[in-house]
Amino acid sequence: EDQVTQSPEALRLQEGESSSLNCSYTVSGLRGLFWYRQDPGKGPEFLFTLYSAGEEKEKERLKATLTKKESFLHITAPKPEDSATYLCAVQGNRDDKIIFGKGTRLHILP
Amino acid sequence: GAVVSQHPSRVICKSGTSVKIECRSLDFQATTMFWYRQFPKKSLMLMATSNEGSKATYEQGVEKDKFLINHASLTLSTLTVTSAHPEDSSFYICSARAWDRDGYTFGSGTRLTVV
Repeated sequence: EDQVTQSPEALRLQEGESSSLNCSYTVSGLRGLFWYRQDPGKGPEFLFTLYSAGEEKEKERLKATLTKKESFLHITAPKPEDSATYLCAVQGNRDDKIIFGKGTRLHILP
Repeated sequence: GAVVSQHPSRVICKSGTSVKIECRSLDFQATTMFWYRQFPKKSLMLMATSNEGSKATYEQGVEKDKFLINHASLTLSTLTVTSAHPEDSSFYICSARAWDRDGYTFGSGTRLTVV
């Protein structure tokens, strides 16, 4: 069964304090690993898709990396507006479904 | 591009009534759409996969007679919560993927409250 585990559940950082969020996964044939940002009361906002181990993608202060077992979302010098829940999801080769982890609630203190 | 519009954003209904939620892909065609449910501070739980022109595929434990899904066109899928009860109160979100986009696009969600 495809599974996604995210850690930590919640993270509080000072503005400018860099850190990383972890996403461990098991999937039957990875077709894609996705990172989303979700603000309270809103739908998830797409950030990245990673397809194969060794791949990296960047967007502003965010950088996503992928290995065969896990993905990291690195946040460099975060700002208060980066506060949100970050969701990781995977899609395997059995069907089109994407399975989400429980997310990491990130809070950046000014 | 790749916008998914979901309506209504909020709805309050009485117990026993039915509620319809619409999910539209505005600038692309989607043969497949997904419906999720999310409880407070919890992740998205996939309810069903909506396929244009055919029956939806429901996840284990999701009552297909209670959560009716219709995907009558390539740009519209609807979720009807029938005979709603307070325990159906939740945040419902749809998603779809444009063929030329890198990821799935989500609607803005519908907050359903059954009183």
